[in-house]
Amino acid sequence: DIQMTQSPPSLSASLGETVSIECRASEDIYSNLAWYQQKSGKSPQLLIYYASSLQDGVPSRFSGSGSGTQYSLKISGMQPEDEGVYYCLQGSKYPYTFGAGTKLELK
Amino acid sequence: QVQLKESGPGLVQPSQTLSLTCTVSGFSLTSNSVHWVRQPPGKGLEWVGAIWSGGSTDYNSALKSRLSISRDTSKSQVFLKMNSLQTEDTAIYFCTRPPRYGSYEFAYWGQGTLVTVSS
Repeated sequence: DIQMTQSPPSLSASLGETVSIECRASEDIYSNLAWYQQKSGKSPQLLIYYASSLQDGVPSRFSGSGSGTQYSLKISGMQPEDEGVYYCLQGSKYPYTFGAGTKLELK
Repeated sequence: QVQLKESGPGLVQPSQTLSLTCTVSGFSLTSNSVHWVRQPPGKGLEWVGAIWSGGSTDYNSALKSRLSISRDTSKSQVFLKMNSLQTEDTAIYFCTRPPRYGSYEFAYWGQGTLVTVSS
């Protein structure tokens, strides 16, 4: 199975600060990577797919990058509504695997 | 519009079998895959398995021996059955779907159903 190592496990950001979350795959996943945001008690929401494509309706302050085994999600200008837990998902090989999550809080 | 809704027993005794139903609307099961993802309370997401538009299935290798996913296309329902349940199977179970045929990212989600394994 492909292992997804996500970092950091948690972070705290000030209003307007730029934050980055990383995911490293145990093998090349050819940009088959998605990012999700999950708020407490809610289903995950798709933010980014194919490493850098922004899902319809997602604010442009969210962006994704990366290739091969290294990927990142950037939030350019933290907003209060961005608090939540963020997960990466690899869709290159079965079984699909998620990162362990990054809890993002507003400082 | 695309909708998915999970339903199930809520509480299952250890060693028993879990049966969940995902009722979908707004799309055809013969044109789209449906996946199950679970989340233990306070923990991360785990892909459980999928049933593809043609009816074939794929399962998480750690659960494969206990898991079965099937469907009834006439009723727009997907079923998950997992036997020999343990307390570690306590989780919110989501059904979810990619946005289009051939894609992997899950764009549509049900609200999830909590399954507690306890005597």
